[in-house]
Formats: sequence, C-alpha cells, structure tokens
Amino acid sequence: EAGVAQSPRYKIIEKRQSVAFWCNPISGHATLYWYQQILGQGPKLLIQFQNNGVVDDSQLPKDRFSAERLKGVDSTLKIQPAKLEDSAVYLCASSLGLQLSGWQDEQFFGPGTRLTVL
Amino acid sequence: AQSVSQHNHHVILSEAASLELGCNYSYGGTVNLFWYVQYPGQHLQLLLKYFSGDPLVKGIKGFEAEFIKSKFSFNLRKPSVQWSDTAEYFCAVNNPDNAGNMLTFGGGTRLMVKP
Repeated sequence: EAGVAQSPRYKIIEKRQSVAFWCNPISGHATLYWYQQILGQGPKLLIQFQNNGVVDDSQLPKDRFSAERLKGVDSTLKIQPAKLEDSAVYLCASSLGLQLSGWQDEQFFGPGTRLTVL
Repeated sequence: AQSVSQHNHHVILSEAASLELGCNYSYGGTVNLFWYVQYPGQHLQLLLKYFSGDPLVKGIKGFEAEFIKSKFSFNLRKPSVQWSDTAEYFCAVNNPDNAGNMLTFGGGTRLMVKP
C-alpha cells in the first residue's frame, strides 16, 4: 500500500515570499491532517479535514496560512507571506477517519516538507 | 487544553540496557494515548496505542507502555534495547469525545543506543 506522499521535500525561501506544499493521502482515507513541527518540538496540528470539509483549524494562523482539500483527496497548504518563525517541517497525515470509534484510528504520516525561511 | 510532557529530551543507552521513557498528560477526561517513533531518515510511525481495557499495552518490536490513570502517565518501556532502536520517540494524546481528532504531541525524546 502506498503511503502518504508530500512534495517538495525541501524548500528554501526568503521572508515575505509565499510557498505551497502538496499532500496526497493514502487512498480511501477520509481524514487528512497538516502538522507543523518546529525543530526540537513535537508536531502541532494546524488543520484537520474530513473529506473536503474542515473539522478543526483552531491552531492555523489564518492571517498567513491557508489550506484546501479539493474533491476530498489531495490537499495544499499555503503560507503567504512567510516569516522567519515559519521555518519548520510540515507534516501531512491521513487516517480512515473513524470518528464514531472515538478517533482510535491510526494516523499515517508522510515524509514531511522541510521549510527554511531566510 | 490538553498538554503532554516528555521529561527526558535525550537518552543514551548501551545495547541490552532497559529503557523507560516518561510521558505525562494534563487532560482530566477520557483520553486515547499513543507512542509514535521516528527512525533516522524515516517518517513518523505508530509504535503502540491505548484506548481502554488492560492498562499494559504491547506494541511492535518488543515495546510496551503502561497507562496509570492516577498519575496521568503513559510510560514507554523495553526490557532490552538494540542499536536499531535509535530514534526519536513521541508520546501523543487525543480526546475521543472531540469533534476533531486533534493529536497533542509531547516534545519528543531522542534515544541513542550505543552498540
């Protein structure tokens, strides 16, 4: 079974520029997550989609971050404009999305995109 | 809001030594508990999870964890580590009653096993 795919793997930009990351979840997974992992810290959830609807975006800095999941499959995360503190690894994860089971389903993570903002 | 603390940021062990990594969470309600591992150059993957029932859960590669509700803890253990266990380990928690599956992660523990 193919895993979660992300691109690009690395990105270097200057502050105030914009950047976009792409994620393709595991086939059949209804739920997709974007996490931000700053060096030395654990991942922090930015946004969760269930199919193409947003379930939780309470920790997404909406003044500069946006995300979409058109057609309920692939997703893109955009930062515009980037700040120095956005330097991090951006992880995409997916799961079957078994809310009725009390969210016990496993989240499968992609390799991440390492963003460096200069 | 829930939070997760992992007290050991770096652990160095020799092969065959026993391992225990601490994890404490702050949420007082019902929780699901997870340990994820990230081997060098690889992506995060699930090691084990606890939802209910027997508080001692067994995962892959000989790892186990014990849920102690009174201590809000979910420590990870392995009786004898191998060089291949060198990795970063993350404890995580979610609330099954939430509308969303927000996993809250601890800061991680980097384990180095010397051959």
